[in-house]
Amino acid sequence: DTAVSQTPKYLVTQMGNDKSIKCEQNLGHDTMYWYKQDSKKFLKIMFSYNNKELIINETVPNRFSPKSPDKAHLNLHINSLELGDSAVYFCASSQSGLAGGGSYEQYFGPGTRLTVT
Amino acid sequence: QKEVEQDPGPLSVPEGAIVSLNCTYSNSAFQYFMWYRQYSRKGPELLMYTYSSGNKEDGRFTAQVDKSSKYISLFIRDSQPSDSATYLCAMSAIGSGGYNKLIFGAGTRLAVHP
Repeated sequence: DTAVSQTPKYLVTQMGNDKSIKCEQNLGHDTMYWYKQDSKKFLKIMFSYNNKELIINETVPNRFSPKSPDKAHLNLHINSLELGDSAVYFCASSQSGLAGGGSYEQYFGPGTRLTVT
Repeated sequence: QKEVEQDPGPLSVPEGAIVSLNCTYSNSAFQYFMWYRQYSRKGPELLMYTYSSGNKEDGRFTAQVDKSSKYISLFIRDSQPSDSATYLCAMSAIGSGGYNKLIFGAGTRLAVHP
């Protein structure tokens, strides 16, 4: 049974389109994250939610909008896609977002490979 | 300058070799130090974490932290072809509200050949 799942696995779309990626975790964790991994494998955090509340919001274009309908789900909507958005997007979860609460142990999904043409 | 520096490799070693992977960092506020392993086309998975300076061993893996030099290492003994993956160091920084954020290194690609 998959712990952190993402859909779709692959996404190929044209510049200017709007797309969404969905993430679900069945680990009972309170905190979920979105990361972007570029072609050089550099993994960078974008957003984090704790119990549906946004707790980390890095310097990300406002074309990216996360939404957490409940603590088991975190979606990412991207408007007006650009070539530079091509990357692998990972969802992750941890038991807690707090420093001493196990936030260092994050469970990652399989990734969504987004290609913008 | 990036907060976490890691040589991207690739590193190619024969089976049975001892592998040393390293990261340096600039932020003395980092508290937890982690190594994640990422197989090709998969998400990263936590391999080891440590909080304090010193060594931590888990089977064939040893994580070492030297906070005074801002340097962390991962040693893999008796390396196996199944260890072939990208190894990402990560460090945690406390953001606003006491919430943690992980800062990752660029990852080192390791290939262990039979």
